[in-house]
Amino acid sequence: GAGVSQSPRYKVAKRGQDVALRCDPISGHVSLFWYQQALGQGPEFLTYFQNEAQLDKSGLPSDRFFAERPEGSVSTLKIQRTQQEDSAVYLCASSSLTGSNEQFFGPGTRLTVL
Amino acid sequence: DAKTTQPTSMDCAEGRAANLPCNHSTISGNEYVYWYRQIHSQGPQYIIHGLKNNETNEMASLIITEDRKSSTLILPHATLRDTAVYYCIVRVAASNTGKLIFGQGTTLQVKP
Repeated sequence: GAGVSQSPRYKVAKRGQDVALRCDPISGHVSLFWYQQALGQGPEFLTYFQNEAQLDKSGLPSDRFFAERPEGSVSTLKIQRTQQEDSAVYLCASSSLTGSNEQFFGPGTRLTVL
Repeated sequence: DAKTTQPTSMDCAEGRAANLPCNHSTISGNEYVYWYRQIHSQGPQYIIHGLKNNETNEMASLIITEDRKSSTLILPHATLRDTAVYYCIVRVAASNTGKLIFGQGTTLQVKP
């Protein structure tokens, strides 16, 4: 497919476990974003990549959250020592640098920390 | 980026026009108005954006007031599949990061 894909779609983790969430952006999209969406709330920005460079990580809630995009395409969001408050849907979006700058979102990964 | 204010929820009859308002009184001259929507259990979807002129595409129309302090998203013939949360966002189109700042949005319920 031509859209943004994310895996896994659902993840259940025990408190204290580490998790890794994957995002495959649209081919050729330079920009990649991660958002966190708590139940009943709008998405909140976590971090932004332009190619492999992480230009903005101001939204990462703690140093337990780490994101990478080593080759400028696939990105991984890693959460260490998960806590219950990390339970949320994690959304990935990509966009090109030209045109309307609209962001194309993936379906999200729903993380539940028990 | 400027803040936006939207009603929490709205209802619309199927086949009628849905008019979703948004206030953005602190919008800056270089900020665009973007609309996204999020259908249940899906990621947000881009609808339309504009600077100061009214815009129309295959999904919706965007009417921006002359002073740019408010706007209205119009779905001309709402269907049940348009039931979603609609987010109005203002931002600089070509900003360095391009991050979207979502508010609570408007939950639109289209009823048969």
